[in-house]
Amino acid sequence: AQSVTQLDSQVPVFEEAPVELRCNYSSSVSVYLFWYVQYPNQGLQLLLKYLSGSTLVKGINGFEAEFNKSQTSFHLRKPSVHISDTAEYFCAVTFRDYKLSFGAGTTVTVRA
Amino acid sequence: EAGVTQFPSHSVIEKGQTVTLRCDPISGHDNLYWYRRVMGKEIKFLLHFVKESKQDESGMPNNRFLAERTGGTYSTLKVQPAELEDSGVYFCASSQVAPSPLHFGNGTRLTVT
Repeated sequence: AQSVTQLDSQVPVFEEAPVELRCNYSSSVSVYLFWYVQYPNQGLQLLLKYLSGSTLVKGINGFEAEFNKSQTSFHLRKPSVHISDTAEYFCAVTFRDYKLSFGAGTTVTVRA
Repeated sequence: EAGVTQFPSHSVIEKGQTVTLRCDPISGHDNLYWYRRVMGKEIKFLLHFVKESKQDESGMPNNRFLAERTGGTYSTLKVQPAELEDSGVYFCASSQVAPSPLHFGNGTRLTVT
């Protein structure tokens, strides 16, 4: 079974500053990895995914994530955040099937 | 294309009552999923339909929950009778081919008082 740990529940950050959201997973087999974002009063939106290939994955809105197999991590980064990036971010994994295992979520609050 | 639509967006019911949540997936998506987030906890898988058939319902909490997908189109999730611990946000998602990324709806926030 897979499990996902998001190490930070709350991340306050100033506008135009960089942000990193940490995600670690546990699995004995290869997995697919995802980051989803939930903006206020909206559903979950896919930011990016890692299925195979290059370990550096670029997503929407300037986000990127790096898959590190040896550290079983999939940290999300953005070099310069905007107020509009205020949202809750979820890391998720699945093993070649449909059943996503989610982390507890990280709330990012961007301040001017 | 229209996204995944869930109705209602909010529902407040009393313990013991019945509530039915509806999900309309993206047209052409054979796979439909229900997930739930109880306050303060992770988003958890409930079940998976492929067309009208239940592929996996291992995440359903108990027999008070009944999911259907008539004709392989929209799906309903009925809770009867509702208990306090059923409160949370219920998400529906769909995809064309598993395990392609899921498209989520905005969720239904259920409050049982």
